[in-house]
Amino acid sequence: EDQVTQSPEALRLQEGESSSLNCSYTVSGLRGLFWYRQDPGKGPEFLFTLYSAGEEKEKERLKATLTKKESFLHITAPKPEDSATYLCAVQAGGANNLFFGTGTRLTVIP
Amino acid sequence: GAVVSQHPSRVICKSGTSVKIECRSLDFQATTMFWYRQFPKQSLMLMATSNEGSKATYEQGVEKDKFLINHASLTLSTLTVTSAHPEDSSFYICSAQAGASTDTQYFGPGTRLTVL
Repeated sequence: EDQVTQSPEALRLQEGESSSLNCSYTVSGLRGLFWYRQDPGKGPEFLFTLYSAGEEKEKERLKATLTKKESFLHITAPKPEDSATYLCAVQAGGANNLFFGTGTRLTVIP
Repeated sequence: GAVVSQHPSRVICKSGTSVKIECRSLDFQATTMFWYRQFPKQSLMLMATSNEGSKATYEQGVEKDKFLINHASLTLSTLTVTSAHPEDSSFYICSAQAGASTDTQYFGPGTRLTVL
């Protein structure tokens, strides 16, 4: 059975304190791993897609990496506006839909 | 680019009534649209997948007669919650995918449904 596990469940950082969020996955035939950001009461906002182990993508203070078992979302020198829930999702096998993890709720304190 | 809208953003209805939610891709044609449901502090759970002009494919446990999905054009899909009950209260989110199966899914802003 496909599984996507995100850790930690919640993370509080001081502004400027870098950290990483983890997404571990067990799926058959990974076709893509997606990172989204979700603000309260809003739909997910697309951040990155990773397709193969070793791939890395960056956008502003965020960097996503992928191995055969997990993905990391590194946040460098976060700001309060980075506070949100970060969702990891996989697309696997023959299905087009995304299978989501439960998310990491990030709070950045000024 | 890649903007998806949903309407309404919030709806409150009485038990037993039906509610229609629209999902539109504003600047691209969506071959496939997906409907998700999200309960408080939980992640998104796929309800159904719809392709333009075809019948929707529902996930196990989702009643197709209760959650009617119509994907009549490449830019519009609708979800109708029929005979809504309080347990149907949730945050409903759609996503749209342009073409290839590995294309990114772009999400709408969600619709908060409250059934009294």
